[in-house]
Amino acid sequence: AQSVTQLDSQVPVFEEAPVELRCNYSSSVSVYLFWYVQYPNQGLQLLLKYLSGSTLVKGINGFEAEFNKSQTSFHLRKPSVHISDTAEYFCAVSQGDTGRRALTFGSGTRLQVQP
Amino acid sequence: SQTIHQWPATLVQPVGSPLSLECTVEGTSNPNLYWYRQAAGRGLQLLFYSVGIGQISSEVPQNLSASRPQDRQFILSSKKLLLSDSGFYLCAWSESASSYNEQFFGPGTRLTVL
Repeated sequence: AQSVTQLDSQVPVFEEAPVELRCNYSSSVSVYLFWYVQYPNQGLQLLLKYLSGSTLVKGINGFEAEFNKSQTSFHLRKPSVHISDTAEYFCAVSQGDTGRRALTFGSGTRLQVQP
Repeated sequence: SQTIHQWPATLVQPVGSPLSLECTVEGTSNPNLYWYRQAAGRGLQLLFYSVGIGQISSEVPQNLSASRPQDRQFILSSKKLLLSDSGFYLCAWSESASSYNEQFFGPGTRLTVL
């Protein structure tokens, strides 16, 4: 069975500072990895995804993530955050056609950007 | 392009009353469909998913049920709501032909049970 661990439930950071949101997964097979963002009272929006190829993935709003197979990690980074980045961020993993056709989500990290 | 709709956007119901939340997808055929719940301050809990009409997989036994009467329609129901059913309900879809299972989410329904 696969699982996703987001090590930090909350991450406070000052505006224009860099941020890293951590995500580790466990799976015995190849995986596909996703980061989603959720603003208050809204659905989830895809930030970026790793399907194959380059391990450094760039997404929307200046975010990027790096897939590290040996460390089973997919950390999300942004070099300079804005107040508008305040939201909940979810990491998710898929095993593709094997197993159930659903994503496994982490518990989420609340990013709080302070002025 | 594909769009996903959920209604109602907000709902306040008394304990013991029935529930029906609807989700529809446009612009795609034979999607995989999903219902999630977020309790206050909690993560996402997958409730049900469906790979075709009449095919429902339940992830967590509980007071809720799901149905898929049409290809792009997914309904979440309850005969008698409990206080613990309060939360934010999200519907999502993915391409059945894709092996990635990338999901696209609707705007959600905020349910408050009093």
